[in-house]
Amino acid sequence: EIVLTQSPEFQSVTPKAKVTITCRASESIGTSLHWYQQKPDQSPKLLIKYASQSISGVPSRFSGSGSGTDFTLTINSLEVEDVAAYYCHQTSSSPTFGQGTKLDIK
Amino acid sequence: DEQLVESGGDLVQPGGSLRLSCVVSGLTFRNYAMSWVRQAPGKGLEWVSGITGSGGASYANSVKGRFTISRDNSKSTLYLQMNSLRVEDSAIYYCVTGNSFTYFDYWGQGTRITVSS
Repeated sequence: EIVLTQSPEFQSVTPKAKVTITCRASESIGTSLHWYQQKPDQSPKLLIKYASQSISGVPSRFSGSGSGTDFTLTINSLEVEDVAAYYCHQTSSSPTFGQGTKLDIK
Repeated sequence: DEQLVESGGDLVQPGGSLRLSCVVSGLTFRNYAMSWVRQAPGKGLEWVSGITGSGGASYANSVKGRFTISRDNSKSTLYLQMNSLRVEDSAIYYCVTGNSFTYFDYWGQGTRITVSS
C-alpha cells in the first residue's frame, strides 16, 4: 500500500497569506495525485487532478505541483472561506489518501 | 446539475448487514465508474470499493470478502452490500464518481453507518 504523508497536519493562517501543503508518497506515483477540500460538515470537493491540472469552477488561487514522491498544494492569498481540511489522494495503485491538513484562521 | 443521493445508513449491531444505495442524476450513469469512500468520525478518507461502468469491481483489503459493490444502470443506482459489519466500519459513506484508477469528481452528501452493540 502506498502511504501518503501530509504536512503540516494543522496550520493557523491569516487572510491573504500564501499557504503551502505538502504530500509525500512512500514510492513514486508519477502524477497520479489529486487534491480535495472538505469544509466543515460538507462532502469533499475536487480541487486539483493529476498533480497540477486545474478543475473548472475552482478559484485560480489554488494550484498544485510535483511528481514522483513530492507534491504541493498552494493557496495564494488565502480567503476566510478556505478554512477547511485538505486531502491528497493517489491513484497509481489501490487508492489511498493522506491523513489531511486542517487550516483555521489565526 | 449532477446529483448523487445516498441512503440506507443506520445503526446496526456487530456482525449485522446493511445495503447502501446511491441514486445518480444529471449525468449518463452507465458511462461512469463509481466508488464508495468512507470517513470515520473525526478521521480522514478511505476508499472502500469501486466498479466500472460494465461491472468490474475492486475492493480495499479492509472490506474484501465482506462488502459487495454492484450497480443497476437502468436505475442509475449504485449499491454497497455490507455483511459481517464491524465497529471499525462505522463511518459516513460517500458515493463518488470515479474508480480505483481515477480522481473522484462528484460526491454525494453521505450516509452514516454506526456499528455498535
